[in-house]
Amino acid sequence: SQQGEEDPQALSIQEGENATMNCSYKTSINNLQWYRQNSGRGLVHLILIRSNEREKHSGRLRVTLDTSKKSSSLLITASRAADTASYFCATDGSGNYQLIWGAGTKLIIKP
Amino acid sequence: NAGVTQTPKFQVLKTGQSMTLQCAQDMNHEYMSWYRQDPGMGLRLIHYSVGAGITDQGEVPNGYNVSRSTTEDFPLRLLSAAPSQTSVYFCASSLDRGRGETQYFGPGTRLLVL
Repeated sequence: SQQGEEDPQALSIQEGENATMNCSYKTSINNLQWYRQNSGRGLVHLILIRSNEREKHSGRLRVTLDTSKKSSSLLITASRAADTASYFCATDGSGNYQLIWGAGTKLIIKP
Repeated sequence: NAGVTQTPKFQVLKTGQSMTLQCAQDMNHEYMSWYRQDPGMGLRLIHYSVGAGITDQGEVPNGYNVSRSTTEDFPLRLLSAAPSQTSVYFCASSLDRGRGETQYFGPGTRLLVL
């Protein structure tokens, strides 16, 4: 079963624009993570936000968390071609040692 | 550090064959896990381990076995391959017992079962 659901499923924007993708989840969580996956590669951790945090920044990334709505958003500012990838959210709400993953948002940055 | 390594990168099996996917990490991580990734779906947890000698089932364990005799290695065995096991398999590790910790992923193994 999937805890997190990202939307949109796919997003295509021009280089330099901002990209926003969203993640919704079903149960209470301790934290939420975002990962990036370049085509044919393993996932790479981007950022972790804890349930008591509302916003977090890392370079061009901004993550928000709204626990009342059970949702998170990932904003990538000033997008670059290298940002072309799939982005996944993962939550730990299962209460054990398992992360639950969404199906991902495929982001394409057009030059 | 090499991080998390996986072998092989690609494998083609016939239905009924068995094989072992290898995973190793050199970061002294306690927690290791195996996922499969299918098109249009997120990662699904197959098995995980919170330390040497300790393993447990994830969401989709049927048809797979694991063992953890050392901290470094966490092989995944397909007992009798089926076409439904065609997928990309990822091994991941994290420093602590896994819940909510940053996962470090290997490059993946692409498996095709005919």
